[in-house]
Formats: sequence, C-alpha cells, structure tokens
Amino acid sequence: GESVGLHLPTLSVQEGDNSIINCAYSNSASDYFIWYKQESGKGPQFIIDIRSNMDKRQGQRVTVLLNKTVKHLSLQIAATQPGDSAVYFCAETLRSGTYKYIFGTGTRLKVLA
Amino acid sequence: EAGVTQSPTHLIKTRGQQATLRCSPISGHTSVYWYQQALGLGLQFLLWYDEGEERNRGNFPPRFSGRQFPNYSSELNVNALELEDSALYLCASSTKRVEQFFGPGTRLTVL
Repeated sequence: GESVGLHLPTLSVQEGDNSIINCAYSNSASDYFIWYKQESGKGPQFIIDIRSNMDKRQGQRVTVLLNKTVKHLSLQIAATQPGDSAVYFCAETLRSGTYKYIFGTGTRLKVLA
Repeated sequence: EAGVTQSPTHLIKTRGQQATLRCSPISGHTSVYWYQQALGLGLQFLLWYDEGEERNRGNFPPRFSGRQFPNYSSELNVNALELEDSALYLCASSTKRVEQFFGPGTRLTVL
C-alpha cells in the first residue's frame, strides 16, 4: 500500500501554547492538501484544506501553511486545548486526477495540563 | 445531516475466512473510498468507487475487492483472511468537490 513511514512521531505541548505539526508531501504535482484529526477509536475528521495556489489559509484556531518549493505543509493550532489531543494526518491529492488521497505518517499531539 | 456510516463496528474472523464490510455514504455523495489503517500505521488507500464503477485501487492483492450499489453504498470484501489483515477499515465519501468525509471505521480482527 502507499503510505509514508512506520513510526508515529509525538508532539507534547503545554495547554495554552501553540502547536505546530509538520508534514512533507511526496508528489510535486499534488494541488490539494488536507489536514485530518483522528481521535482514538474514531475515523479521521476534516480540519482544514488548502489549494496549491495558496500558501496560507486560516480557520478557527488553526492555520495551514504550504511551501511548494520544499514540498512542506504545516498545521498551526493556537492556544492548544486538551481536546486537541489526537493523531493528525496530512493528505495530498490531485484534484484533476483520481482524487486518491495519499496520507502522511501522522503525528500524535499530546496536550499536557 | 447523517454522516458516513459503517457496519459492523467490530468483526472477528479466523484465518482463511471471508469478511464483508459495509459503508453508507453521506446523502448526495457518489464516491466511496476504502482505506486500511493497521495499528500504528497511516491510512493506506484500498479502493475508490464512483457512480457504481471501480475507479482506482491501491497496492493490495486481488483478494481485496468490493462494489458500489445503485444507492452509492458500498461493500468491501476480503477473502482468504490473513493475520496481517487485522486493521481498522475506513470508508470515506465525497462529491466531486474532493473533500472526503470519513466514517468511524470497522475494526477487523483476524485470529
């Protein structure tokens, strides 16, 4: 199967601090990127997306940054809360193609009280 | 609006048996995607159905198959189960807008 990496990196953040989760994507032709949050025992939940013609997009407490030059995506979470504890995945796809998503490894975010 | 639903929640089978997993997409969505998420790993793309046709499949053996019904619900079949097939199987649905909405998954355990 297509997936990236075998180990799940963990980011521990103090409650109230900002979190930055990084992702390197694989296909320079990808033109749509999504961040998902997956809580234990649940399916992934859409957080925010960004198209390749943008380099930044903001949502509620979240910001996604896209650097196409180095094929890098980041998710910033402001004022991290205990409810943000989850595994975060980035996904890439080609909107004009098969719509098949390629998911990154995932990062586990632990919020410390 | 109801989200993507999957059944059963849990499924326990033994090696060599067959498993059938079901998915109902969000109303109005014509595409259904299946992913496998083994413990501690990321999501691996299995199959994509759109308008009743298989449009793409990932790097999985032919014993992983499925279909999409006229009402756009979908079934994933796994034949000749192996221990390493134990995983969370996730279904997602979408319209042509690309954004995929995921169901809660079916946890398949092969003994």
